[in-house]
Amino acid sequence: DSGVTQTPKHLITATGQRVTLRCSPRSGDLSVYWYQQSLDQGLQFLIQYYNGEERAKGNILERFSAQQFPDLHSELNLSSLELGDSALYFCASSPSLAQIRLQYFGPGTRLTVL
Amino acid sequence: TQLLEQSPQFLSIQEGENLTVYCNSSSVFSSLQWYRQEPGEGPVLLVTVVTGGEVKKLKRLTFQFGDARKDSSLHITAAQPGDTGLYLCAGAIGYKLSFGAGTTVTVRA
Repeated sequence: DSGVTQTPKHLITATGQRVTLRCSPRSGDLSVYWYQQSLDQGLQFLIQYYNGEERAKGNILERFSAQQFPDLHSELNLSSLELGDSALYFCASSPSLAQIRLQYFGPGTRLTVL
Repeated sequence: TQLLEQSPQFLSIQEGENLTVYCNSSSVFSSLQWYRQEPGEGPVLLVTVVTGGEVKKLKRLTFQFGDARKDSSLHITAAQPGDTGLYLCAGAIGYKLSFGAGTTVTVRA
């Protein structure tokens, strides 16, 4: 158990819908990262937050957004969902901004778009 | 196009055999990580190497970082069925980690 929690574990929805994925980092970790893992693209970095502020962006679509709240939990919002958005979505956390190499991953949310 | 190329993509060996997984790039990384992921679970951090030429041993696993900090290898001695999984390397540049596509290792009993 990495100490990172993600909910829900599974999510099935239809095209055009909007969903919210939730992540709670390990106790004491200030930095949260979101990743998408699909069979054809592998594990892709989406976005990073540190202590409530966005710090780095990767291959995140405009239809996707995220935020980190004062209690440090984070949410990833996916809207206007398409079939190709079906994937595993992982959250990871690390103690500080400089320690990106010490990322601990949650169990993931499997999103299926029908 | 992946920043980190892993090879081989798949590896199936008999219990007791040795194996090596490679991770190569044309980019220089400040550190390189190896993760193991099992189906339906998140990647688990195995090791971090930060110094060019560094070698780290974790029981039967040996990790090496290239002198130029562009490549790495993972060697498993006397593999066991419990070593089965997807092995991912990840390189740090700035505030981002870039992952390789992974090597799926299957160890047959």
